[in-house]
Amino acid sequence: GEDVEQSLFLSVREGDSSVINCTYTDSSSTYLYWYKQEPGAGLQLLTYIFSNMDMKQDQRLTVLLNKKDKHLSLRIADTQTGDSAIYFCAELATGGSYIPTFGRGTSLIVHP
Amino acid sequence: NAGVTQTPKFQVLKTGQSMTLQCAQDMNHEYMSWYRQDPGMGLRLIHYSVGAGITDQGEVPNGYNVSRSTTEDFPLRLLSAAPSQTSVYFCASSYSRGGNEKLFFGSGTQLSVL
Repeated sequence: GEDVEQSLFLSVREGDSSVINCTYTDSSSTYLYWYKQEPGAGLQLLTYIFSNMDMKQDQRLTVLLNKKDKHLSLRIADTQTGDSAIYFCAELATGGSYIPTFGRGTSLIVHP
Repeated sequence: NAGVTQTPKFQVLKTGQSMTLQCAQDMNHEYMSWYRQDPGMGLRLIHYSVGAGITDQGEVPNGYNVSRSTTEDFPLRLLSAAPSQTSVYFCASSYSRGGNEKLFFGSGTQLSVL
């Protein structure tokens, strides 16, 4: 079955770039997602990428996909204190249950 | 739009008690699901439904029941609460089950079982 791994913590200084990494297991065709969870709230979808894409950019967010290494990253440019949250990587394999598998989440802490 | 509404936000139970966590969505979504979130464990799927009258088990269904009598509501029942069920519970919905469908999450129910 699918498995998604990500590091648990990341600490950055305000104004720097943050890079959150994720690895996933093999699927022939896959959607990969980044969700953000702020304290006391549910998850919100930030962005997603299909496995036939290498990169997707949306304002301060850049998603990079390395299909060969099954590695996904989320880069946040000019990180702000409001970006402090837990970021979840998730994978969905088409042709199967169509239910996403979530990683354990990376806690991003932004220092002033 | 209210989106996905979960009640209650907080609940404390004694071991052996039963209760129902409520979830309602007003977006006419066919797909609804329940997750539990535990520290360092991420989100684990408990049960899901692809439409009224249809439910199925997820990764960790034991100790939980669900039903889907309407499109809007998807309650989660704890039959006999155990301390291992202390967790934060999230309900999520989407228009359909598909890769480009966005999951909408409720704000969660924090449950403590003593």
